[in-house]
This record gives sequence, C-alpha cells and structure tokens, in this order.
Amino acid sequence: AQSVTQPDARVTVSEGASLQLRCKYSYSGTPYLFWYVQYQRQGLQLLLKYYSGDPVVQGVNGFEAEFSKSDSSFHLRKASVHWSDSAVYFCAASPPNTGYQNFYFGKGTSLTVIP
Amino acid sequence: SVLLYQKPNRDICQSGTSLKIQCVADSQVVSMFWYQQFQEQSLMLMATANEGSEATYESGFTKDKFPISRPNLTFSTLTVNNARPGDSSIYFCSSRDGTGGIEQYFGPGTRLTVL
Repeated sequence: AQSVTQPDARVTVSEGASLQLRCKYSYSGTPYLFWYVQYQRQGLQLLLKYYSGDPVVQGVNGFEAEFSKSDSSFHLRKASVHWSDSAVYFCAASPPNTGYQNFYFGKGTSLTVIP
Repeated sequence: SVLLYQKPNRDICQSGTSLKIQCVADSQVVSMFWYQQFQEQSLMLMATANEGSEATYESGFTKDKFPISRPNLTFSTLTVNNARPGDSSIYFCSSRDGTGGIEQYFGPGTRLTVL
C-alpha cells in the first residue's frame, strides 16, 4: 500500500543532543517530501521541503533532512536540540500519481526534549 | 506563503446538530483543502475545494456528511452535518500560496467536541 511511515511514535532526547526522526515512504515514483512541526494546540508549520536535486535540504531553526531514493527515506535531523523543539513532527508526501496535488501524512513523532 | 484563519477556533455541540467552520485566506488561492485530525493521530485529507466547482472528497468522506462550499478564491466553509461524538476532532484547512510551490500552509485548526 502507498503510505508514509514514521516508525517512532515518541522520541525523548536531552537538550543539546543530536536528533534524527525517521520517515519512509512507499509510492510509485518519487514523491515530493515535507516535514511539518505541530506545537501543542497549534496548526502545522512547514519545516522544510524536497522536490529534487541536492538530497540534503536545509530548513528553519537548524533542521535539515536527507532524501534517499535507494532507501525510500526522508529523515529529519538536528545537530543540537533545544527544549523549545518539543512538539509533534509530521512527515508528508505528495505523490506523482496525484499530479503532486494531494498530501499524505505519517502518523507523527512526538518529540520531548529534556532540559 | 499564505496565512489562513479559521473560525471558530473551538466549538462544542450536541449530537444531531450541524455546525460550520470557516476558513479565510489572506490572498487568493486556487485550491483549499480540509483535513481531520483525531487526538494524537495524523491528519487525514477529507476533500479538496476549488472555486466554483464541487469539492472532491477522499474515501470515507461524503458531501452529505461534510458539505464544503468555496464561493470565492479566499474563502471556504466546511459543514459537519448530523454531528456525532465520533466527529470530535480538529479540523484544519490548508492551501498553497500563489507562487507555484507544492507545499501547503495550514490554518490554526478548529477543535470540535460533539456531546
């Protein structure tokens, strides 16, 4: 089945530690890929996006993500997390079979940063 | 980017009643999207609404239950008919901006509780 999978429902890290949140997709063809963050009781905010080209894309607040076609992945990384990064992170894909018109989200990873 | 506003930000209603959620964009946008998010779950695309045409609904969502209007390029309304406790969730509208990018921008959400 076509899908976006975020295998880790919850991740806890200490402030200052590095972070990787995993995302894998399963679509015919390569989708456009996105990471969004949802702070408590707020809407989603775009962190970064990948359409094509350089597989490492930079986003806001020090986040970056790396696209891997061979692994069908788009993992999110940050070198040093801050307590304010605590939020839910969603990976999303816009697949070619919808003309890149529709978005499909993973189930999200809830990140807790311990001070 | 595009800014989206939703009204109300929360509502509580009785089973069997109907309620409307409004979404307003700060600029003209071609498509507006509506999503449903149950607590601690992912966002599910409900429908896509373009000006002057009937909304396109995803599997599991119908126009009888969730009629959507799109009277102009900055406005959309989602109605929840015959509300049931199972409809209790957060409803988000989203759209793309006018630059041709695929990324979607989200409103702050409307939290609905059906008693």
